[in-house]
Amino acid sequence: KQEVTQIPAALSVPEGENLVLNCSFTDSAIYNLQWFRQDPGKGLTSLLLIQSSQREQTSGRLNASLDKSSGRSTLYIAASQPGDSATYLCAVYNNNDMRFGAGTRLTVKP
Amino acid sequence: NAGVTQTPKFRILKIGQSMTLQCAQDMNHNYMYWYRQDPGMGLKLIYYSVGAGITDKGEVPNGYNVSRSTTEDFPLRLELAAPSQTSVYFCASSYSPGGSNQPQHFGDGTRLSIL
Repeated sequence: KQEVTQIPAALSVPEGENLVLNCSFTDSAIYNLQWFRQDPGKGLTSLLLIQSSQREQTSGRLNASLDKSSGRSTLYIAASQPGDSATYLCAVYNNNDMRFGAGTRLTVKP
Repeated sequence: NAGVTQTPKFRILKIGQSMTLQCAQDMNHNYMYWYRQDPGMGLKLIYYSVGAGITDKGEVPNGYNVSRSTTEDFPLRLELAAPSQTSVYFCASSYSPGGSNQPQHFGDGTRLSIL
């Protein structure tokens, strides 16, 4: 059974800092991995999608990497801003089954 | 651009009551999903559909039913509400399975309390 773990559960940083969020999964047989952002009281917004054959994806200040063999992914946020404050979730997909981590709640202080 | 629309946004039910959570998407996506999110937890898949008339169980289907009579709509039904079904329910849709090439689009959720 696929299990997805995100560490840390919560993170507070000053504005401008670079930071890394971690995601690990137990079964390397995945089709893709996605990083989502969730704002309070809202649904999820997809940030980056990495296919199993890819090593990383970039969008603006965000960079996500994938090491399928070790069951790990990282989300790197450069020059963090208060508007980045949200919960970030990773999810792995395979065979019509998507498994989510519990998320990392990020607070960026002005 | 409505995207994925869920109704209602909030609901309180008594134990044993039934209700239907509505989900509609206007992006002509074949794939639709229902998830539940308990406090401090990730989302868990309840049911999914790969097209009109086709549905299948996810990780936690017990106590729920779905139907998919049209491409646009994917309602989730609770027949006999139980306190364990208190949760936030999210509907999602995608062009390809599991967002394999393009990401899933999510609604804003339905917050359901059962007392």
